[in-house]
Amino acid sequence: ETGVTQTPRHLVMGMTNKKSLKCEQHLGHNAMYWYKQSAKKPLELMFVYNFKEQTENNSVPSRFSPECPNSSHLFLHLHTLQPEDSALYLCASRPAGGEVGELFFGEGSRLTVL
Amino acid sequence: GQNIDQPTEMTATEGAIVQINCTYQTSGFNGLFWYQQHAGEAPTFLSYNVLDGLEEKGRFSSFLSRSKGYSYLLLKELQMKDSASYLCAVRDSNYQLIWGAGTKLIIKP
Repeated sequence: ETGVTQTPRHLVMGMTNKKSLKCEQHLGHNAMYWYKQSAKKPLELMFVYNFKEQTENNSVPSRFSPECPNSSHLFLHLHTLQPEDSALYLCASRPAGGEVGELFFGEGSRLTVL
Repeated sequence: GQNIDQPTEMTATEGAIVQINCTYQTSGFNGLFWYQQHAGEAPTFLSYNVLDGLEEKGRFSSFLSRSKGYSYLLLKELQMKDSASYLCAVRDSNYQLIWGAGTKLIIKP
């Protein structure tokens, strides 16, 4: 249990569907992240939010739309995805201060696009 | 470009010692992280090195040589539960994390 909860854990969607991934953290952290994890590839940073403000968009296609209504919740809205978007989507949070600044990850949402 | 290299897969025997290497080429350096990720689970933080040398934490140790762009994670007295992927990540001069593709460690009885 890392304190970061992601739902749903598994999602199958067609290319024309619209769905959302949800992330919730109860750690009091102020920075939240979305990462994409594909098999045998490095983690790809997608979006970063600090104090609810988006501070990074790593050239992510517009079919992925993030939303951060407060410091505890993060969403990833999905629409008209492509089969190559099938991957594990990981949410992470990080405390604002601290010497190390390690990330706390959720268990991920496994997305399959048909 | 920025790059992190680590072996794709390693196999070791229960009770033995294994060393997982990580080499990096990044724009600046502000720390190196190791994470453990069991299949279907969240990556969890294992260790952090920012100065040269060895950091020991129970059965796990992590070493850093900044001049060589090199780190290793040393796992002693291997247990079956150590079967997992081990991710190396470097924080660059912009405080961005650069990730390796991970090393899948298989422990055999």
